Amino acid sequence: DQQVKQNSPSLSVQEGRISILNCDYTNSMFDYFLWYKKYPAEGPTFLISISSIKDKNEDGRFTVFLNKSAKHLSLHIVPSQPGDSAVYFCAARSLFGNEKLTFGTGTRLTIIP
Amino acid sequence: DTGVSQNPRHKITKRGQNVTFRCDPISEHNRLYWYRQTLGQGPEFLTYFQNEAQLEKSRLLSDRFSAERPKGSFSTLEIQRTEQGDSAMYLCASSLAGRPTEAFFGQGTRLTVV
Repeated sequence: DQQVKQNSPSLSVQEGRISILNCDYTNSMFDYFLWYKKYPAEGPTFLISISSIKDKNEDGRFTVFLNKSAKHLSLHIVPSQPGDSAVYFCAARSLFGNEKLTFGTGTRLTIIP
Repeated sequence: DTGVSQNPRHKITKRGQNVTFRCDPISEHNRLYWYRQTLGQGPEFLTYFQNEAQLEKSRLLSDRFSAERPKGSFSTLEIQRTEQGDSAMYLCASSLAGRPTEAFFGQGTRLTVV
């Protein structure tokens, strides 16, 4: 039962262009969504989050959009830089889940110089 | 370094052996989580502590797994009678209750059961 889905295992984007990573979820009780970035042999690093009462949150080059009716969120990175190459995980917190996170399977982003 | 620290970073063990991993959270964090990540998957929740109390365990945590957090500081995760299916990256994260966006992960312990 995959409650958080990232349907694109990989994505390649030219340096300087926009990277768009997508995430879908099924559990209506999720109230907080987070994006993590992971380099090989390291733990996930928190990137940006959004509460379910908002539809957009922006932090520098990173913007997360939430469409509750579609149960869909996306992470936009603009402009993309070579250091952005990593695996990106979408995660969600349930209102009644004691703040544990449910993760998607990840999208490997490669920025082409 | 004041981040979450996990030891060892890598562990290779023979099937049937017991292994123990350690996690040292950020000192003021009262919540500590264990996750497991297998190849091609995202991290999956195993268990979590608030201070020294273990408050939730996933169904993924079979009877061979046990976790402790004595005195609400560091935590250990023990796997008894390891099986090849236990091979994974074991991740620890810590946070303050009510502040989930500030959950910090350690670098993980990669377990290989041969």
